[in-house]
Amino acid sequence: AQSVTQLGSHVSVSEGALVLLRCNYSSSVPPYLFWYVQYPNQGLQLLLKYTTGATLVKGINGFEAEFKKSETSFHLTKPSAHMSDAAEYFCAVTLNTGNQFYFGTGTSLTVIP
Amino acid sequence: NAGVTQTPKFRILKIGQSMTLQCTQDMNHNYMYWYRQDPGMGLKLIYYSVGAGITDKGEVPNGYNVSRSTTEDFPLRLELAAPSQTSVYFCASSLDRENSPLHFGNGTRLTVT
Repeated sequence: AQSVTQLGSHVSVSEGALVLLRCNYSSSVPPYLFWYVQYPNQGLQLLLKYTTGATLVKGINGFEAEFKKSETSFHLTKPSAHMSDAAEYFCAVTLNTGNQFYFGTGTSLTVIP
Repeated sequence: NAGVTQTPKFRILKIGQSMTLQCTQDMNHNYMYWYRQDPGMGLKLIYYSVGAGITDKGEVPNGYNVSRSTTEDFPLRLELAAPSQTSVYFCASSLDRENSPLHFGNGTRLTVT
């Protein structure tokens, strides 16, 4: 069975500080991993994805994530938080053998001026 | 550049009423999905479709029905609304099943009282 765990339902950082949002997955086969962002009253938008190849993936708005197979993790980082980064972030996993995405419960990011 | 369009944006139903949530996409995507989002629970898959005429259940299909008569449209039907169906509903589509990201609509906020 596949599952996604996001540690910390709420994260607060100061503007300009490092953003670190944690995601761990469990999967019996190599997964495809995604981070989505949701702004208020909107649908989810893709930030970045890992399928194969380079384990450090760069996305939009300065975000990046590193796939660490040994730790079954796919943490999202950004070196310097901006006020516009305040949103809900979801980690998701899918497999090359199935049709379903499995989402974490989300992390709400607050950026303090 | 419409993408995935959902209607209505908001709806209030009385217990026992029925309604259809509309979803249409203009990207010629084969795969379409319905999710519900509840606070602190992430997204749960209700139904999905891999192409016109083909649908399958997700994690939480009870109380819902879907149809897929065309590639573009994937309506979600609630037959006998219950308070437990109060949620935000998202339709999404993707090009294929493997590593293509999901494209989301802006959601339908449904309240059943």
